[in-house]
Amino acid sequence: AQSVTQLDSQVPVFEEAPVELRCNYSSSVSVYLFWYVQYPNQGLQLLLKYLSGSTLVKGINGFEAEFNKSQTSFHLRKPSVHISDTAEYFCAVTQTGANNLFFGTGTRLTVIP
Amino acid sequence: SAVISQKPSRDICQRGTSLTIQCQVDSQVTMMFWYRQQPGQSLTLIATANQGSEATYESGFVIDKFPISRPNLTFSTLTVSNMSPEDSSIYLCSVVESWSGEQYFGPGTRLTVT
Repeated sequence: AQSVTQLDSQVPVFEEAPVELRCNYSSSVSVYLFWYVQYPNQGLQLLLKYLSGSTLVKGINGFEAEFNKSQTSFHLRKPSVHISDTAEYFCAVTQTGANNLFFGTGTRLTVIP
Repeated sequence: SAVISQKPSRDICQRGTSLTIQCQVDSQVTMMFWYRQQPGQSLTLIATANQGSEATYESGFVIDKFPISRPNLTFSTLTVSNMSPEDSSIYLCSVVESWSGEQYFGPGTRLTVT
């Protein structure tokens, strides 16, 4: 079975500062990894995904994540955040070839003006 | 990308009653999922609902409590039966777009049971 750990439940950061949201996973099989964002009162939106290939994945809105197999991590980064990035961010994993996602508990990113 | 709508967006229900949540997709999809997001917790898969077959429930979820219908490729319902305060959650519908494999989520239904 897969599981996902998001160590930080809340991350406050000043506007234009860099941010890293941490995600670690556990799985005995190969996995696909995802980051989703949930803006207030909206559905989940896919930010980026790792399926195979380059371990550095670029997503929408200037976000990127790096897959580190040895550390079983998939941390999300952005070099300069904007007020509009304030949202809940979820890391998710699924077994290769499957479709049901296992989610972390989420990290609430608050960008401070 | 698939656009998903859910009804109702939120509801407050009394203990012992049932609520049916509707999920409508703007395109035909084979795979549809129902998730639950309890307060302060992550999303948990309730069941997979593929058109033309019985829903497949995850461990801890049963059909009597969460009956699901999937009458066609664009629509599904989830019923939360005999509700208790522990059922207070956000319920989300999700689909996998057949041609891209992308998974999309609806806006969720916020249920409060008193």
